[in-house]
Amino acid sequence: GAVVSQHPSRVICKSGTSVKIECRSLDFQATTMFWYRQFPKQSLMLMATSNEGSKATYEQGVEKDKFLINHASLTLSTLTVTSAHPEDSSFYICSAREAGGRNTQYFGPGTRLTVL
Amino acid sequence: AQSVTQPDIHITVSEGASLELRCNYSYGATPYLFWYVQSPGQGLQLLLKYFSGDTLVQGIKGFEAEFKRSQSSFNLRKPSVHWSDAAEYFCAVGDQGGSEKLVFGKGTKLTVNP
Repeated sequence: GAVVSQHPSRVICKSGTSVKIECRSLDFQATTMFWYRQFPKQSLMLMATSNEGSKATYEQGVEKDKFLINHASLTLSTLTVTSAHPEDSSFYICSAREAGGRNTQYFGPGTRLTVL
Repeated sequence: AQSVTQPDIHITVSEGASLELRCNYSYGATPYLFWYVQSPGQGLQLLLKYFSGDTLVQGIKGFEAEFKRSQSSFNLRKPSVHWSDAAEYFCAVGDQGGSEKLVFGKGTKLTVNP
């Protein structure tokens, strides 16, 4: 149980284009999903908290207009990197907290974004 | 503010040896505590968690961790390491106050020698 998927697992795009990453909870409903960014050999940095049916809450320093988050259903959240630049290249990981669950986050496998 | 310290950036052990990964946290009350493992290029897998009750917590893959309030520690242990345990290990603290956020340590990379 508690499986989270991400799609795509790997994406390469040109500078200036937008990329959408999907995060799905496969066997549970997630009222809250989280988006993290991880640089090589570093820990996870929380970017934003996504609540179903409401606007995402962004961490300080994260541009909400650049990293658009939509949590349209209890099983799906999307992160769109708009007008991507090479510095946006990173490993993006989502997690989901089960509705009614006790603050346990289950993580997706991550998406490797490379912007050329 | 919450913080998590994993003092060891890299640990190397021989297969079959015992393992202890250290984690210290800073938090005003009793936090939720977690250990996650990450294989290269993969997401994080939950090993175990502590919310309350018995301070010795059993997890998957033969791991256990002990919450010691007096030392603000939540060290991860395994009596006999397998080569497949080589990975990055992250300790995390969660806020019982309802923010739902996790704060992660910087991680400890485990190398297992044959």
